Amino acid sequence: RKEVEQDPGPFNVPEGATVAFNCTYSNSASQSFFWYRQDCRKEPKLLMSVYSSGNEDGRFTAQLNRASQYISLLIRDSKLSDSATYLCVVTPARFILTGGGNKLTFGTGTQLKVEL
Amino acid sequence: SAVISQKPSRDICQRGTSLTIQCQVDSQVTMMFWYRQQPGQSLTLIATANQGSEATYESGFVIDKFPISRPNLTFSTLTVSNMSPEDSSIYLCSVSSGTSVYEQYFGPGTRLTVT
Repeated sequence: RKEVEQDPGPFNVPEGATVAFNCTYSNSASQSFFWYRQDCRKEPKLLMSVYSSGNEDGRFTAQLNRASQYISLLIRDSKLSDSATYLCVVTPARFILTGGGNKLTFGTGTQLKVEL
Repeated sequence: SAVISQKPSRDICQRGTSLTIQCQVDSQVTMMFWYRQQPGQSLTLIATANQGSEATYESGFVIDKFPISRPNLTFSTLTVSNMSPEDSSIYLCSVSSGTSVYEQYFGPGTRLTVT
């Protein structure tokens, strides 16, 4: 079983739609969770962190369910510019500034295509 | 966030040769990392580049194959040695600073093709 699993998609949605992605993780010791965005042929960029019961940033809402070991990302009023691959990222430790060991584990990503 | 550049942006290399990839940051950063992203797959951490000491490698990656240098707080290199077609991938460096090592910022990547 992969450490972090995501539905690869693609999710094709019309502009203005609401779309949700889920991500499951296998390591119950995971403490910190993130969503990154990766545009085609570009580097990943941090979209938002997910802490405790989740958080909201504009049109984006991330939620965490520790009991079921999954994270979700909800995008409301989707824009054409939201088209990208969304990467779920987990790590076993929280805020520890040490070398090595506390690595980020990336999912393979969910591709979103927002269409006119 | 820091501005990160990588050289080369892409290269096509022959089997058995080595390529050194450079990562330059416009400000001093605490931690630097090297990742690999193979076609259709997600990112895999190769190693953490430690300033002034040997890099910390993840399982499956060894120093002889991927030697790393980090002479100061703004620069690091990754060498892909004795390349084979299986090494064809995008190699990315990332940095973090401050108290949260998990908020990482990535360089644009180096697209490597081994023939």
